[in-house]
Amino acid sequence: QKEVEQDPGPLSVPEGAIVSLNCTYSNSAFQYFMWYRQYSRKGPELLMYTYSSGNKEDGRFTAQVDKSSKYISLFIRDSQPSDSATYLCAMSVEAAGNKLTFGGGTRVLVKP
Amino acid sequence: GAVVSQHPSWVICKSGTSVKIECRSLDFQATTMFWYRQFPKQSLMLMATSNEGSKATYEQGVEKDKFLINHASLTLSTLTVTSAHPEDSSFYICSVLQASGSETQYFGPGTRLLVL
Repeated sequence: QKEVEQDPGPLSVPEGAIVSLNCTYSNSAFQYFMWYRQYSRKGPELLMYTYSSGNKEDGRFTAQVDKSSKYISLFIRDSQPSDSATYLCAMSVEAAGNKLTFGGGTRVLVKP
Repeated sequence: GAVVSQHPSWVICKSGTSVKIECRSLDFQATTMFWYRQFPKQSLMLMATSNEGSKATYEQGVEKDKFLINHASLTLSTLTVTSAHPEDSSFYICSVLQASGSETQYFGPGTRLLVL
């Protein structure tokens, strides 16, 4: 079993819909949770960063962390075709040299 | 967030040659940088952690004599793939650690290596 599980997709939604992404993990020591967006043949771009549990909102993006369930989510409201990309969740343990453990990524397609 | 550049963006080389990839932190001094490799349709795999002025720490299974890392300044880390072979063809991405409270990593645009 992988340390971080993420559905590979593809997840296809119509423009304007809410995109719902999630990751589950097994290591209860993870404290930092991140979501990255990666366009084809580009480096990942940091979207959201959350420390410990709770919700965080930034524009059209909302990140949620439920440490009791070892489950994190990313919601994208009013999705646009430009949101079509691969979304990677990543986590780190505070004292682990800031090494990130990535999920496998979910490919999202937003159709006009 | 931090601005990171990589050079070159893509490179094609013959088997047996060495290739150097540069990673630069453009807007702050990065004590720690990371090197990742990504194969098609797969996630990022950490290769090594690069600390300025000291030897890199390699992940299990990564040959340190094949993937030479040098972090001689706070803005530059280099990855040299020595005696490259076709199986080394991949997308190499660096990141910098911005440890100013948020402890987040910012990634470069990546370097695509094709070994013929």
